[in-house]
Amino acid sequence: EPEVTQTPSHQVTQMGQEVILRCVPISNHLYFYWYRQILGQKVEFLVSFYNNEISEKSEIFDDQFSVERPDGSNFTLKIRSTKLEDSAMYFCASSEDGIRNQPQHFGDGTRLSIL
Amino acid sequence: KQEVTQIPAALSVPEGENLVLNCSFTDSAIYNLQWFRQDPGKGLTSLLLIQSSQREQTSGRLNASLDKSSGRSTLYIAASQPGDSATYLCAALYGAGANSKLTFGKGITLSVRP
Repeated sequence: EPEVTQTPSHQVTQMGQEVILRCVPISNHLYFYWYRQILGQKVEFLVSFYNNEISEKSEIFDDQFSVERPDGSNFTLKIRSTKLEDSAMYFCASSEDGIRNQPQHFGDGTRLSIL
Repeated sequence: KQEVTQIPAALSVPEGENLVLNCSFTDSAIYNLQWFRQDPGKGLTSLLLIQSSQREQTSGRLNASLDKSSGRSTLYIAASQPGDSATYLCAALYGAGANSKLTFGKGITLSVRP
């Protein structure tokens, strides 16, 4: 069964550094998402992306965050200047379309640790 | 504000027991509701999706129900096994198309004792 793949599985970065998290969504999917889960807390929506532009973003997704689909397969999340509070598990998800009967499929996540 | 709540936070049952995990949501304007399984340190595995027009969905020993009017969903696990031990999250889909997003509960950590 096709899967969403994320790399790296674990990223350790010094505070203030830029980090790029990478995702390869399922190939025929059109909608892409990033979520994050701070340890012990709920999974939170960050941003959705469709047709090469951001569709919706949460209040967490400030100017330090950006997303890009640089080619036909990758979907990236960039954090420009990381803060300690950015430490979390980041999940990429994709769905075939946005209608109600299509589930979002999640990757295994990237654990981001900011030192 | 759209909130999803799962109570209790943890549950421990003996093997073989049938059990029900509860999920409630404040805004009934959902498009669908998904149940996920999360093993420690791992990603989210989709278990079941119920569309807003449906009442229930079944997959093997799992059955999920949805009552939009009361803002509730339940996940029923039949004949629980130690391998079912994991955290179970429910998530409500709000918005349509490009504006859709999942709002998650905090999850119920299930432990099935042999």
